[in-house]
Amino acid sequence: GEDVEQSLFLSVREGDSSVINCTYTDSSSTYLYWYKQEPGAGLQLLTYIFSNMDMKQDQRLTVLLNKKDKHLSLRIADTQTGDSAIYFCARGAGTASKLTFGTGTRLQVTL
Amino acid sequence: NAGVTQTPKFRVLKTGQSMTLLCAQDMNHEYMYWYRQDPGMGLRLIHYSVGEGTTAKGEVPDGYNVSRLKKQNFLLGLESAAPSQTSVYFCASSYGGSDEQYFGPGTRLTVT
Repeated sequence: GEDVEQSLFLSVREGDSSVINCTYTDSSSTYLYWYKQEPGAGLQLLTYIFSNMDMKQDQRLTVLLNKKDKHLSLRIADTQTGDSAIYFCARGAGTASKLTFGTGTRLQVTL
Repeated sequence: NAGVTQTPKFRVLKTGQSMTLLCAQDMNHEYMYWYRQDPGMGLRLIHYSVGEGTTAKGEVPDGYNVSRLKKQNFLLGLESAAPSQTSVYFCASSYGGSDEQYFGPGTRLTVT
């Protein structure tokens, strides 16, 4: 199966919180990343977390890492229409310099 | 500071034709990468480079070649294009192997 898995689609109402989930299989992951891709654009790093951390908060974004279950989530508080995009989870193995990406979750924000 | 740029933005090729995609970065990054993005799939690494004059294979290298003659440029070549190479190609760069990767805007390639 896929090394990094995500659900394909999520729809939320403006102002609600969004939670995008990701699971991975390789426990050697050192860094875990969330990237955002807007239509017609490249990927932009949103945030990342080291594998020895459980949580990281950055303004409206909260990343939670459950190492035991190999589960990563991205919570976006007060979701706005500008948050509509595809969100990719990725894992890195440190010095290997290579990222393994999930399939991406398309977030649709409705009014 | 332009960041990472890619040329061309769009291209249509016929099966068997060849082309080169150019990636340029002005951030003095050591590492550069080429990915392809296909519908319903994450980005897959084609080739990467850890410094000027070096290249290495990624997850899906077959049918592609790369060169890194200058630190700021990373070229991706298709010698004989196939319809299976229809994809969106992204270049990225990073200062070190563990650092944030900065992505270009992508090149949409269609092979008929």
